[in-house]
Amino acid sequence: DVKVTQSSRYLVKRTGEKVFLECVQDMDHENMFWYRQDPGLGLRLIYFSYDVKMKEKGDIPEGYSVSREKKERFSLILESASTNQTSMYLCASSSHLTDRGNTEAFFGQGTRLTVV
Amino acid sequence: KQEVTQIPAALSVPEGENLVLNCSFTDSAIYNLQWFRQDPGKGLTSLLLIQSSQREQTSGRLNASLDKSSGRSTLYIAASQPGDSATYLCAVRGYGNKLVFGAGTILRVKS
Repeated sequence: DVKVTQSSRYLVKRTGEKVFLECVQDMDHENMFWYRQDPGLGLRLIYFSYDVKMKEKGDIPEGYSVSREKKERFSLILESASTNQTSMYLCASSSHLTDRGNTEAFFGQGTRLTVV
Repeated sequence: KQEVTQIPAALSVPEGENLVLNCSFTDSAIYNLQWFRQDPGKGLTSLLLIQSSQREQTSGRLNASLDKSSGRSTLYIAASQPGDSATYLCAVRGYGNKLVFGAGTILRVKS
């Protein structure tokens, strides 16, 4: 069974703290993604990575950074957490686009982050 | 920029009814389209993936169709059950490798 695992279901952090959200996949996928989901705004892409040490900004990268040192692990970093980063964070992975086209994306269970 | 729209935003139906959820996208240059289900407070569960060269995919009581040229997809749910109550999201994958999501349809199936 394919699996994307996020390190925490719930997190509460203080304003100004450095926060690490971890995501691990066991499918040997090249692509990994971080989204945030907010009521009324849907899912918005923060960053994605298409290979180890490679990353590309999504639609809302401000205030975030990422790290991908190993293929199976993709970390989202909030350098200095702020209350407007309170949200549900979702990690996903998929294989590269190929001619055969099976690039189904799989999601983790989500991390509900509250910044107080 | 790709935009994905889902209609209706919310739907309430009695148990046993067949229903259709709609998804439209503005840029037809897509690689595939994926339908997901999300239960409250949980992550996304993949339901169906349709490649751009395909017209439809079926899994159990679910059938998804794709008309790439018109920028539309539908998710058909047969004989709905209370356990189908969830938010349904569609997402398109462009050649830039990113998944772009619609806002979702909140489905409630009443017993």
